[in-house]
Amino acid sequence: KQEVTQIPAALSVPEGENLVLNCSFTDSAIYNLQWFRQDPGKGLTSLLLIQSSQREQTSGRLNASLDKSSGRSTLYIAASQPGDSATYLCAATGANSKLTFGKGITLSVRP
Amino acid sequence: NAGVTQTPKFRVLKTGQSMTLLCAQDMNHEYMYWYRQDPGMGLRLIHYSVGEGTTAKGEVPDGYNVSRLKKQNFLLGLESAAPSQTSVYFCASSPPGQTTKPQHFGDGTRLSIL
Repeated sequence: KQEVTQIPAALSVPEGENLVLNCSFTDSAIYNLQWFRQDPGKGLTSLLLIQSSQREQTSGRLNASLDKSSGRSTLYIAASQPGDSATYLCAATGANSKLTFGKGITLSVRP
Repeated sequence: NAGVTQTPKFRVLKTGQSMTLLCAQDMNHEYMYWYRQDPGMGLRLIHYSVGEGTTAKGEVPDGYNVSRLKKQNFLLGLESAAPSQTSVYFCASSPPGQTTKPQHFGDGTRLSIL
């Protein structure tokens, strides 16, 4: 059974800092690894998807990497802004595109 | 440009009552999913469907039933609501067999069982 872990559960940083959010998974037989953002009281917004054959994906200030052999993915946020404050979830995709989610990291960026 | 729409957005039920949550998608996606999100537990898959007329159990299916009579709709039913089913329910959809496209999520249904 796939298990996805995100540590720490919460993170507070000053504006402008570069930061890394970590995600680990136990079963390397994944189709892809996805990162989502969730704002309070809202649904999930897809940020980045890394296919199992890829090493990283970039979108603006966000860069996500994937190391299947070690069961790890990281989300790098450059020059953080208060608007980046949200909960970030990673999810591993298995058969039938079913997602197994981590519990999320709640990020607070202080002005 | 609706994407995934969930109805209702909020609901309060009494223990033992029944209700149906509706999910509708306009992207012609084959696959649809129901998740529940609880504090400290993350999102967990309840049931899913890989096509019209098909359904399958996820990680936490007990106490729920689903139906996929039309491709664009996926219904989640609670036959006899229990306080343990108080949660935020999310519906999602994705194209079939795709490993390159992310799932699309609705905004959620916040359900309280008293």
